[in-house]
Amino acid sequence: EVQLVESGGALVKPGGSLRLSCEGSGFRFSFYSMNWVRQAPGKGLEWVASISSSGSNTYYADSVKGRFTISRDSAKNSQYLQMNSLRVEDTAVYYCARDARYSSAWSAIDYWGQGTLVAVSS
Amino acid sequence: DIQMTQSPSSLSASVGDRVTITCRASQNIGTYLNWYQQKPGKAPKLLIYETSSLQSGVPSRFSGSGSGTDFSLTINSLQPEDFATYYCQKSYDTPLTFGGGTKVDIK
Repeated sequence: EVQLVESGGALVKPGGSLRLSCEGSGFRFSFYSMNWVRQAPGKGLEWVASISSSGSNTYYADSVKGRFTISRDSAKNSQYLQMNSLRVEDTAVYYCARDARYSSAWSAIDYWGQGTLVAVSS
Repeated sequence: DIQMTQSPSSLSASVGDRVTITCRASQNIGTYLNWYQQKPGKAPKLLIYETSSLQSGVPSRFSGSGSGTDFSLTINSLQPEDFATYYCQKSYDTPLTFGGGTKVDIK
């Protein structure tokens, strides 16, 4: 059974930093590209960042570029999101999400974690 | 960047109704359009990928169509468990933009 488990969410002050982790199980983690998607309270889904299966290529939403860094350690079946210079508007549930590999390009997201809450407030 | 616009933003329907939600891309995205269902407090669930392919385990009352810039998700014979929020999303290249969502509630 495929599982994605996030951790690291917390309450942090504006300007602070946080590192989210996501551990995958039940599938060959190194084969899959991965994503982070967030959802602010009462709002819709927002794609945040993606990382290729090799880790060589990373992509970011304009709203987080230069502040967030996505990375992975396939030996630990894990991906990470380092979040720096956090803003109030970064407050959201952050989901770890697996690319479905339905095509050679970026595909749909077929598995999601349960989400971890990041709250940015003074 | 390509923008994704869903309509309506909400709708009320009854069990047994046929419901159609539309999604428009600001540029041609071919058939790289996916649909998700999300219930309160839960992670999204993939329903349809690449416009019309049904994800494994998803009931056949869900179907998708379209190409280019205009897409739709249809739910035939709405069931009680279908009351949720639905999102479209473009894939193929980043940003993997989502539509704003369509909330389907009980009339």
